[in-house]
Amino acid sequence: ETGVTQSPTHLIKTRGQQVTLRCSSQSGHNTVSWYQQALGQGPQFIFQYYREEENGRGNFPPRFSGLQFPNYSSELNVNALELDDSALYLCASSLKAGAYNEQFFGPGTRLTVL
Amino acid sequence: GQQVMQIPQYQHVQEGEDFTTYCNSSTTLSNIQWYKQRPGGHPVFLIQLVKSGEVKKQKRLTFQFGEAKKNSSLHITATQTTDVGTYFCAGPVDGGGNKLTFGTGTQLKVEL
Repeated sequence: ETGVTQSPTHLIKTRGQQVTLRCSSQSGHNTVSWYQQALGQGPQFIFQYYREEENGRGNFPPRFSGLQFPNYSSELNVNALELDDSALYLCASSLKAGAYNEQFFGPGTRLTVL
Repeated sequence: GQQVMQIPQYQHVQEGEDFTTYCNSSTTLSNIQWYKQRPGGHPVFLIQLVKSGEVKKQKRLTFQFGEAKKNSSLHITATQTTDVGTYFCAGPVDGGGNKLTFGTGTQLKVEL
């Protein structure tokens, strides 16, 4: 196992609600990236946090927001949930944000929006 | 925007047969990574290729990075049931760093 943990493992919400997903990075890792993986597709990059600052964002609307804490754990917040937000949300931590740094994925949070 | 495509989308093989998945990027990549995702699991890092024309082997798996650094392949020799899963290639998103654009994936099923 990678040492990256995520909570909760599963979540069911209704359209319009808000959700917060949590990720604890592997010990010593200061970079956390979040990805959305719809069923049958590859993970899509949402954003990355490096030393508590956002370090790049994918093509996701502002209702997707995040935080990184001093211990490098991270949260992903999604407001005004839509049906299409149903997906597996993965966080990945790495030692640094540089191009050649391997990412270690957590087990994911399965979000279902009804 | 940057796109990373993989073919085939699905592959069904008999145990012992070989398997290859191909990855093509619309842009030149500084490096390419390969991940394996078992059914119900999360992506697990397999390898990173950096140099043009690079070839790396891990037991029955052979990874290749194209000369133009826009394509890559993964070849598995003599597949086993433990090889079942979806194989993704991934390259850095526009802007660099280790933020990744994942390919569309190839789902491998292995029958006894």
